[in-house]
Amino acid sequence: GAGVSQSPSNKVTEKGKDVELRCDPISGHTALYWYRQSLGQGLEFLIYFQGNSAPDKSGLPSDRFSAERTGGSVSTLTIQRTQQEDSAVYLCASRGTGTSGFQTQYFGPGTRLLVL
Amino acid sequence: RKEVEQDPGPFNVPEGATVAFNCTYSNSASQSFFWYRQDCRKEPKLLMSVYSSGNEDGRFTAQLNRASQYISLLIRDSKLSDSATYLCVVNTGGFKTIFGAGTRLFVKA
Repeated sequence: GAGVSQSPSNKVTEKGKDVELRCDPISGHTALYWYRQSLGQGLEFLIYFQGNSAPDKSGLPSDRFSAERTGGSVSTLTIQRTQQEDSAVYLCASRGTGTSGFQTQYFGPGTRLLVL
Repeated sequence: RKEVEQDPGPFNVPEGATVAFNCTYSNSASQSFFWYRQDCRKEPKLLMSVYSSGNEDGRFTAQLNRASQYISLLIRDSKLSDSATYLCVVNTGGFKTIFGAGTRLFVKA
């Protein structure tokens, strides 16, 4: 596709429910990132994928958060037993293997999650 | 100390003004640097990469000072459309990329 896409664009859920967020990276991009951005705040790194493996999961806030990537393409971020503090915009970015070390991340439009 | 620090602002400037933002980073092994722009309720978008020799793109100039571990962004002849949050981004090697919290810019008519 032309860019990174994410779905749903908005999600309202009740506290305690599970949610699944999807990211479709730019075709051919091997690296995929998930970030979280709370209102008026900076980007909080959650997890990074290189291909289907996640070398660094240290940013996941708790064991309620998990992510997977299959076929080196689509990724899903799952939040179990959602809490109100999970409300934020969840951004996905993908990155190609650039030359000379400059590897730009391209972001999707994000999923706005509201936990009531 | 945060790995990447920016003055949050906001910077309020009139149209036509020149404005500069600085960003400091703590990891001396950092390898590549970027400025992203984020409009309200939108995703971040790459504004420009920052090269060791400095680089210019129209009204925007980016500089890197490795000795003092900071990067800067200069905007000349500010436009109303430049109003946004500017994010400093540092790649510390491999996959690890750190985003600053951003500097907010408001350009007024």
